[in-house]
Amino acid sequence: GQSLEQPSEVTAVEGAIVQINCTYQTSGFYGLSWYQQHDGGAPTFLSYNALDGLEETGRFSSFLSRSDSYGYLLLQELQMKDSASYFCAVRDSGYALNFGKGTSLLVTP
Amino acid sequence: GAGVSQSPSNKVTEKGKDVELRCDPISGHTALYWYRQSLGQGLEFLIYFQGNSAPDKSGLPSDRFSAERTGGSVSTLTIQRTQQEDSAVYLCASSLVPLNEKLFFGSGTQLSVL
Repeated sequence: GQSLEQPSEVTAVEGAIVQINCTYQTSGFYGLSWYQQHDGGAPTFLSYNALDGLEETGRFSSFLSRSDSYGYLLLQELQMKDSASYFCAVRDSGYALNFGKGTSLLVTP
Repeated sequence: GAGVSQSPSNKVTEKGKDVELRCDPISGHTALYWYRQSLGQGLEFLIYFQGNSAPDKSGLPSDRFSAERTGGSVSTLTIQRTQQEDSAVYLCASSLVPLNEKLFFGSGTQLSVL
């Protein structure tokens, strides 16, 4: 089996930086993905890390350490519109992309 | 179409009735997934299609759940004899090629079983 652990809630101030961690246990591993979901909306793809290191896409960055079975999503210059749920996801040896329970990010003024 | 389309957006049904949920993936996308999301919860994998075949049905919670895909395009998820615990948002996603990490999700069908 597999499991993904991420914090259930994070609160941060507009303009700040926030890091959302994800640890995983899986029998096989291809990479770590991140998705964003606003309330009532469809999940949207943010990033994918197959190799160790940091991937940067605008204000968002994602990091992976395969040896530690750990990754994080870093959001910089937070904006109110970043308030959403963020999910990490892994694909093990099967076909399914399995998601964590999600981290609810609240950005306050 | 421009995105993944799901219908209906909302479905209210009585316990014991059958329901059909429809998904129109992005044109040309070969892989299709169904997920279920309960209020405030993560996404629970149900089934994966590659073309018209379903090599992974491991997430279907019971034999009341079934799905098919025709013409490598439209997919239908059927829930027979619905139960209250089936109430959730059912999400469909597609990707251009199999085992691609970038899934495109529809807005889902909110199913309420009374």
